[in-house]
Amino acid sequence: GENVEQHPSTLSVQEGDSAVIKCTYSDSASNYFPWYKQELGKRPQLIIDIRSNVGEKKDQRIAVTLNKTAKHFSLHITETQPEDSAVYFCAASISGSARQLTFGSGTQLTVLP
Amino acid sequence: DGGITQSPKYLFRKEGQNVTLSCEQNLNHDAMYWYRQDPGQGLRLIYYSQIVNDFQKGDIAEGYSVSREKKESFPLTVTSAQKNPTAFYLCASSVGSGTGPNQPQHFGDGTRLSIL
Repeated sequence: GENVEQHPSTLSVQEGDSAVIKCTYSDSASNYFPWYKQELGKRPQLIIDIRSNVGEKKDQRIAVTLNKTAKHFSLHITETQPEDSAVYFCAASISGSARQLTFGSGTQLTVLP
Repeated sequence: DGGITQSPKYLFRKEGQNVTLSCEQNLNHDAMYWYRQDPGQGLRLIYYSQIVNDFQKGDIAEGYSVSREKKESFPLTVTSAQKNPTAFYLCASSVGSGTGPNQPQHFGDGTRLSIL
């Protein structure tokens, strides 16, 4: 089955700096890659996703890049703010797969004021 | 996501007791999922259902059971066979996968289960 590895497990950045979180996946058939943000004690919320026919996608300060050859995808957050502090999860899935998503282990991002 | 309601928010289980966690959605989604989250860890899939009256085991189904009698509801029972049930349980739903591209999953607010 699919295996998703996520790095780093913790990341601290100064406010205003950029943060990058990287995930690798094992199944070359995976073609959908969402990112979720989870604040302490709350539900994971989808923040951005990308499909395999696209190499990069941006939404304001957030971007995701995908390298299908290397089987990795990354989340980029620019101009970080304290409210960006949370746990971020990547996930991967294959079209038509009934179980849908396989999640990474998460990255605790702390933005220092 | 206001379309997925989990209850209760907190639940306590006594030794030997079965407890049921509720998950209801009004998003008209075909697919529903249950995940377990332990402190500092990722989401592990317990059970999932793509259609009413059908469900499949995920990665950690032992000690859990589910039913899917209605499209809107996917309750999870934590049985006494689950020896370490203390965790945060998350329910999610999505448009069914079918043969098309996969769609995002939307999560409820979770139920925190503890042992008395």
